[in-house]
Amino acid sequence: GAGVSQSPRYKVTKRGQDVTLRCDPISSHATLYWYQQALGQGPEFLTYFNYEAQPDKSGLPSDRFSAERPEGSISTLTIQRTEQRDSAMYRCASSTRDGIGELFFGEGSRLTVL
Amino acid sequence: DAKTTQPTSMDCAEGRAANLPCNHSTISGNEYVYWYRQIHSQGPQYIIHGLKNNETNEMASLIITEDRKSSTLILPHATLRDTAVYYCIVRVARGGNTGNQFYFGTGTSLTVIP
Repeated sequence: GAGVSQSPRYKVTKRGQDVTLRCDPISSHATLYWYQQALGQGPEFLTYFNYEAQPDKSGLPSDRFSAERPEGSISTLTIQRTEQRDSAMYRCASSTRDGIGELFFGEGSRLTVL
Repeated sequence: DAKTTQPTSMDCAEGRAANLPCNHSTISGNEYVYWYRQIHSQGPQYIIHGLKNNETNEMASLIITEDRKSSTLILPHATLRDTAVYYCIVRVARGGNTGNQFYFGTGTSLTVIP
């Protein structure tokens, strides 16, 4: 697509429920990133993909968080058994694979856990 | 990747140049300096990047000291729309399946004053 698309834009859920967020990157971009951004803070790196490979999961805060990109295009971020502290903006970005190019961000998915 | 240090906040008069400093004293030879900004609740936006030479584009100039331990982002004629959080990031730019993490810090909150 023309830009990075994320859905849903807003998600309100109850504590303990599972949530899946989706990211559709720019179609020519091999690299995809997930970030978590709490209010008033900078984006915190969660994980990234090069095509379907996921070289780094070190930023995922717990094993309740997982991400997939099975066909090297669309990615999902799943949070199991959500907790109130998971409330944040979740941002996806994509870039070309040369390791130098800029990151293009989507509008984000705002998650609120009640 | 090397860490960066930025002032928490700065003010700049509208129409004047905004000079945003960044210290990256532990930067290594193959790490680039990137600048992004985030306006209100939007996704971060790429501004400029460089390795060791000064760089200029339509948005800003990047001045990197000869020892590469610090840099300055210059917005030559700041406008109210430049009010944002500005992030300085150093990062190894390499292809392959390693090292494509992209870490944001807390940034500098720039307020352009009328």
